[in-house]
Amino acid sequence: AQTVTQSQPEMSVQEAETVTLSCTYDTSENNYYLFWYKQPPSRQMILVIRQEAYKQQNATENRFSVNFQKAAKSFSLKISDSQLGDTAMYFCAFMKAPRGGGSQGNLIFGKGTKLSVKP
Amino acid sequence: KAGVTQTPRYLIKTRGQQVTLSCSPISGHRSVSWYQQTPGQGLQFLFEYFSETQRNKGNFPGRFSGRQFSNSRSEMNVSTLELGDSALYLCASSRWGGNEQFFGPGTRLTVL
Repeated sequence: AQTVTQSQPEMSVQEAETVTLSCTYDTSENNYYLFWYKQPPSRQMILVIRQEAYKQQNATENRFSVNFQKAAKSFSLKISDSQLGDTAMYFCAFMKAPRGGGSQGNLIFGKGTKLSVKP
Repeated sequence: KAGVTQTPRYLIKTRGQQVTLSCSPISGHRSVSWYQQTPGQGLQFLFEYFSETQRNKGNFPGRFSGRQFSNSRSEMNVSTLELGDSALYLCASSRWGGNEQFFGPGTRLTVL
């Protein structure tokens, strides 16, 4: 079974600074996807960034980037130039690559990291 | 394009009752998944539907069930409600062959 661990329940960062959220996972799969989702207070979950396991290059989306270490099963999220709107719960998630049979696959989430950006 | 919608947004029930939650996916998305979010257990996968068939199921008791209609809208039902069923129930849709799931705002269920 796959597991996802986020070891930092809460973090805070000053506006405009950089913060890194940690995530480790355990799997015997070789083909999978990794995601970071953001859930702002009382608002819906949105995808921040995704990484395909077969890609060695780390994904980046504007101020968000990941450090994907496949051998170490580590997938950290770096937020640069933090903004007040980045305040949210951040969830790391794992999904096996679909193998057919009709299933798209389900997300396995970590417990989340509550990030507070302070002015 | 409209996002994933869920109704109702809030629901209060008492133990022993049953409840039905509804999810309308993004237009063109045919896969719908349901997740339960609680402070203690976090986000847990309930089930996944595609083409009106359940394709994948999480580790929940049989009191939790769902279905999908021909227009891809999905419902989930919880029978004989327990206090521990109080949670935020999230629906997510994805296009077939895509790996990104788009989440709705959720239905917050409180069981008294």
